[in-house]
Amino acid sequence: DTGVSQDPRHKITKRGQNVTFRCDPISEHNHLYWYRQTLGQGPEFLTYFQNEAQLEKSRLLSDRFSAERPKGSFSTLEIQRTEQGDSAMYLCASSPWEPLPYEQYFGPGTRLTVT
Amino acid sequence: ELKVEQNPLFLSMQEGKNYTIYCNYSTTSDRLYWYRQDPGKSLESLFVLLSNGAVKQEGRLMASLDTKARLSTLHITAAVHDLSATYFCAVDLLTSGTYKYIFGTGTRLKVLA
Repeated sequence: DTGVSQDPRHKITKRGQNVTFRCDPISEHNHLYWYRQTLGQGPEFLTYFQNEAQLEKSRLLSDRFSAERPKGSFSTLEIQRTEQGDSAMYLCASSPWEPLPYEQYFGPGTRLTVT
Repeated sequence: ELKVEQNPLFLSMQEGKNYTIYCNYSTTSDRLYWYRQDPGKSLESLFVLLSNGAVKQEGRLMASLDTKARLSTLHITAAVHDLSATYFCAVDLLTSGTYKYIFGTGTRLKVLA
């Protein structure tokens, strides 16, 4: 299967701990996105990479959140000093360079529970 | 700020019936997407609508786009239980040279046998 993969699929952590999630996009997809989805809501945009460059960050992404995409391949999303309000599904999506970066392919998500 | 609204938010329907889900958005966009999400799962792409008047059909689902009215519809024909899921529409927004999706609130569909 050459779809978008995410690891881990589930993470339970105590408040105040740091967590890191990984996303492996579809091979050769230049565009990579992170979204957060809480129960009963649609996904909310967090950040966007074009290759290794982080081109946009949402205001939802506080200073405790950081994302990287070294070498323009996989990406990581780190949350420092987790809070209960960070509990959500974190979704990664990728899309190809051409045609326009419109159709996004989503990974299975990482479900974070902060206790 | 771009807003994407869906209605209804919840829909309970009998098998065999027809119904339409509506997606309204507040700013100009030529592209609209429909996704399906099953509980606890990720999003599955259903339709990509790329221009005004676009219509796409897959099985019992048909999606259309009217960019002038800023409206897309997802029509369900002769619903079956397997269609029970949450359906999201999304519009892509070009800001500062980059694209991002803005998702609607979702429509939770339950098809009753």
